[in-house]
Amino acid sequence: GAGVSQSPSNKVTEKGKDVELRCDPISGHTALYWYRQSLGQGLEFLIYFQGNSAPDKSGLPSDRFSAERTGGSVSTLTIQRTQQEDSAVYLCASSLVNQPQHFGDGTRLSIL
Amino acid sequence: QKEVEQNSGPLSVPEGAIASLNCTYSDRGSQSFFWYRQYSGKSPELIMFIYSNGDKEDGRFTAQLNKASQYVSLLIRDSQPSDSATYLCAVLVGSSGSARQLTFGSGTQLTVLP
Repeated sequence: GAGVSQSPSNKVTEKGKDVELRCDPISGHTALYWYRQSLGQGLEFLIYFQGNSAPDKSGLPSDRFSAERTGGSVSTLTIQRTQQEDSAVYLCASSLVNQPQHFGDGTRLSIL
Repeated sequence: QKEVEQNSGPLSVPEGAIASLNCTYSDRGSQSFFWYRQYSGKSPELIMFIYSNGDKEDGRFTAQLNKASQYVSLLIRDSQPSDSATYLCAVLVGSSGSARQLTFGSGTQLTVLP
C-alpha cells in the first residue's frame, strides 16, 4: 500500500522567503509527526498531531515555524522568513496510536 | 542528561560477526522501544520494536529490553556489508492521557567490513 508521501523532495530557496512542506500520511493513521534532521545529526522532534486533539508544538524551534493538519489527513509545515540554519531534511511520519511510526522520504531544504 | 543515549560510534565489525548496539533511556515510565535503520541520505526505516522485558527475535535481529536498567539493545547476527548504516534507538515518552512523542537517540553508525 501507499506509504507516507512528502513533497517537494528537494527545495532550494533564498534566505527570507517562506516555504511550505507537505506530508500525506498513510491512510487511516491518526498520528502525524514532523521531525528535522540536520546533516550528520539525529532526529529533532518538531510537532505531533493526534486525531482532533490540540497538537503538541513543543518541539517547534521558533515562531517562524507552524504546522497544520487539515481534515485529519494532509499536513503542511510552514517556515516563514527562512534562515540558513533552517537548512535540513524535514521528515514526516505517521502511525496508528502508540504504534511504530513510518517515515516519508523527507524534504531536503536548502536555504541560500 | 539526554532522554535517549546511544554511542555514536563508529562501530566496525567484520562480516559474519555479531554487531551489538546499545541504548539507554531516562524516562522510567517508557513503555515502547523501537530500532530504526537509516542509510545515508535515506529516511529511517523501522526494523524492530519491543514492549516487554526480555528478547524479541526477528530473523538476524534480536532486540533486548531491560526496563529495570533502562536499557535496550539490538543484536545483528551474521552481519553483512548491507547492514552498514546508522541505527537509531527511539523511545515513546509521555504518560497516558498526555501527548506522546517518539524521542530518538543520536544514532550509532555501524560499518560491516567485508
